[in-house]
Amino acid sequence: SQTIHQWPATLVQPVGSPLSLECTVEGTSNPNLYWYRQAAGRGLQLLFYSVGIGQISSEVPQNLSASRPQDRQFILSSKKLLLSDSGFYLCAWTPQGPDTQYFGPGTRLTVL
Amino acid sequence: KQEVTQIPAALSVPEGENLVLNCSFTDSAIYNLQWFRQDPGKGLTSLLLIQSSQREQTSGRLNASLDKSSGRSTLYIAASQPGDSATYLCAVPMIKAAGNKLTFGGGTRVLVKP
Repeated sequence: SQTIHQWPATLVQPVGSPLSLECTVEGTSNPNLYWYRQAAGRGLQLLFYSVGIGQISSEVPQNLSASRPQDRQFILSSKKLLLSDSGFYLCAWTPQGPDTQYFGPGTRLTVL
Repeated sequence: KQEVTQIPAALSVPEGENLVLNCSFTDSAIYNLQWFRQDPGKGLTSLLLIQSSQREQTSGRLNASLDKSSGRSTLYIAASQPGDSATYLCAVPMIKAAGNKLTFGGGTRVLVKP
């Protein structure tokens, strides 16, 4: 069966520090991968998606970047965090083609 | 641009009552409609997926209907239990969108009181 992992589960970082969040999927190959952010009291915002290794599409211009160095690994990064980057970050995957989207457990990021 | 709306934003019912959650979307060119559940501080769990050609999908106490022409879906939860307390989100992938991107509604926060 397929599983999706995210780490760390929680993170507290000072403004201006770098960020690296990791997401890995097991039990499938060539998935579509997604990064979402859920700010307090707000809905899900799609940040990036990837349909293959090295292929990244950005949905919202911002302080963050994403990379997909391996088929089942998706990384969210920032060189310098802003207060507004605080939120709950969710990684998700789908098989190729329209299908159910499966979510990871999320990372709670607090920028102070 | 697809817009997905969920009304009400919050709902409180006594245990045993049936829950009715609404989802509306503006563009009917969709592959399917998906319902998710989110517990506080957790990721989303898929509940039901209705294909665009289907009118209804059932799983246990959950039943979801889809009326694509009117841009509406309804999630029914029978005989609610306190464990049903969570936020419920609907989402649609657009036929025209690359990468099977989902557009989410804002969610309905449900509280089932014992």
